[in-house]
Parts: sequence; C-alpha cells; structure tokens
Amino acid sequence: QSALTQPASVSGSPGQSITMSCTGTSGDVGGYNFVSWYQHHPGKVPKLMIYDVTIRPSGVSNRFSGSKSGNTASLTVSGLQAEDEADYYCSSYTSYSTVVFGGGTKLTVL
Amino acid sequence: EVQLVESGGGLVQPGGSLRLSCAVSGFTFSSYWMHWVRQVPGKGLEWVSRIKTDGTQITYADSVKGRFTISRDNVKGTLYLQMSSLRAEDTAVYYCARDLISSRGLDKWGQGTLVTVSS
Repeated sequence: QSALTQPASVSGSPGQSITMSCTGTSGDVGGYNFVSWYQHHPGKVPKLMIYDVTIRPSGVSNRFSGSKSGNTASLTVSGLQAEDEADYYCSSYTSYSTVVFGGGTKLTVL
Repeated sequence: EVQLVESGGGLVQPGGSLRLSCAVSGFTFSSYWMHWVRQVPGKGLEWVSRIKTDGTQITYADSVKGRFTISRDNVKGTLYLQMSSLRAEDTAVYYCARDLISSRGLDKWGQGTLVTVSS
C-alpha cells in the first residue's frame, strides 16, 4: 500500500492554468476509475473536488477538471485564483479494497 | 445540514489505548460507508480504515491493522475507532469522513480530533 506519487509543489500566476499529476500502479489508479482529488487549506477540512476521475461534486467550480491516462491521474486548475492556493491530494481505491492517498501537492498562486 | 463531530482525542502514552467517536447528523448514517483518515501535523493525509453501512465489511491500512478497530452504531449515528498499542507515529489529527459512493470519494469530513502519543 504505497502512497501515490504527487509532485511536492506547483505554481502559477493568476489567470493561468496548472496541471498536477498523481502516479500509482495498475493496482490502484490504473486499475479503477475511482480517483478522487481533495483541496485542503491549512486549518480547514479537506474538500472533495473531483471523484471518479472526472466528476465534480455539486458546488465545485468548473475551473477544476480531472483526467487519467494509464497509471497517472491529473488535476487541472484553470483561471487560477488566489483562493486556489492550498494543498491538493489525490486518492484511489485499490485492489486490496483499501484507499490510498498521494503525498500531496502544494499549489502556490504567484 | 450534514455534520460530523469527532471526539475522544488527547494525550496517551506509548502502548496505550484510546477510542475516538464521530457523531453524525443531517443525513441517514446507516446508508453510507464511513472512513477514518489521519494527518500527521505538517504531513499529508493517510487513509486509516473504512466500514460498510451495516458493519459487515471492514478494511484497514497496513500501518494500523491488528491495532485499530473500526465500528459503528447505526442507532446512535456514531462511528468509532478503537486504537490500541499506540505508537509515537500514530500522533495525528484523525478525521472521520462520509463515503460518497463505494470509496470513490469522501464528500463530508469532520473537523478532526488530535491524538498525541507521547510519554
């Protein structure tokens, strides 16, 4: 049950788009379309942004989008805004009937 | 309004035990799988355990298997995490979370309760 691999940090200027990756294996990301993404502002509660690779829960901005290719999932944030600055975690269901998170990516809006 | 409220955290010595509770309201608790997720201060999220609606299916992360026990009381609307043989590395904020659909996303989270394992 190794953690999914995420870059430690990404950054972009307001209005720009960024994409962050989440790499797993065929036993998790690659084997199921059950990848989710969470936004976590320090001191606050994690917020579900994407589930089932591409689906946005009600109330989540359409500036957030998800995709997957093979064992790597991606989260794209378009039209960056200051309030997007946060930690982002990917997660996947696994072949062991467990859930695994990535190590997290810190998004900085320059 | 959906609410999840954890309690039971605190300071415990290595090798000790602690039981966390998560009281929910605003939704039909018995219809949802539930999870525990933890976060070591300054570190990332780590999934701990999940339990099916009726308690008949349970899985754990390897890091807690054999030491932690998840359970639920659908009458009381409460999720539990019994933690034993605690180690320093179990020090973390523990969150309970509602499963949107079959572990495909955790859509509601509690505010977390801090567990500190130290002598």
